[in-house]
Amino acid sequence: EPEVTQTPSHQVTQMGQEVILRCVPISNHLYFYWYRQILGQKVEFLVSFYNNEISEKSEIFDDQFSVERPDGSNFTLKIRSTKLEDSAMYFCASVPSGRADTQYFGPGTRLTVL
Amino acid sequence: GNSVTQMEGPVTLSEEAFLTINCTYTATGYPSLFWYVQYPGEGLQLLLKATKADDKGSNKGFEATYRKETTSFHLEKGSVQVSDSAVYFCALAEPNSGYSTLTFGKGTMLLVSP
Repeated sequence: EPEVTQTPSHQVTQMGQEVILRCVPISNHLYFYWYRQILGQKVEFLVSFYNNEISEKSEIFDDQFSVERPDGSNFTLKIRSTKLEDSAMYFCASVPSGRADTQYFGPGTRLTVL
Repeated sequence: GNSVTQMEGPVTLSEEAFLTINCTYTATGYPSLFWYVQYPGEGLQLLLKATKADDKGSNKGFEATYRKETTSFHLEKGSVQVSDSAVYFCALAEPNSGYSTLTFGKGTMLLVSP
């Protein structure tokens, strides 16, 4: 069964460094999402992406964040200058259509900022 | 805004015990409601859903009924198994939220012992 994959599973970085989190969505899906979960907190929506552009973003998704689909298969989340409070589990999801009930999630990347 | 509140975990049960995980929501319209499950080391998987009041979602022995009058969507299972040990997330999506982003609760860990 097709699945969403994410790499790395765990990323440790120093404050102020740039990180890129990678996701490979399911191949025929059209909509892509990033969510994050700070330890002990809710899973929060960050951004959605369709047709090579951002379709919706939350207040969390400020200028330090960017997303890209560089080669038609990968979907990346970049954090330009990480802060301690960016430490969280980041989940990628892909959707064949716009319907929320068909979101397929990856296993997540745990980001630790020191 | 929208929000989802789940009971705190972990919930610790013996095999074959009855499970209830409470979930209540706040939404401006008439949302669709979901339960997602995350097994260790894996991504979020859709467990069940309900799209309108009094609908009952069910899957793998789990059930949840959309109660508009109490704004609740409690998850139940009559007899849990060790393999049900996982983190369970309640979530909602507003039907008019464009690309149907999900609003999640914090998640409830379930631990089932033999």
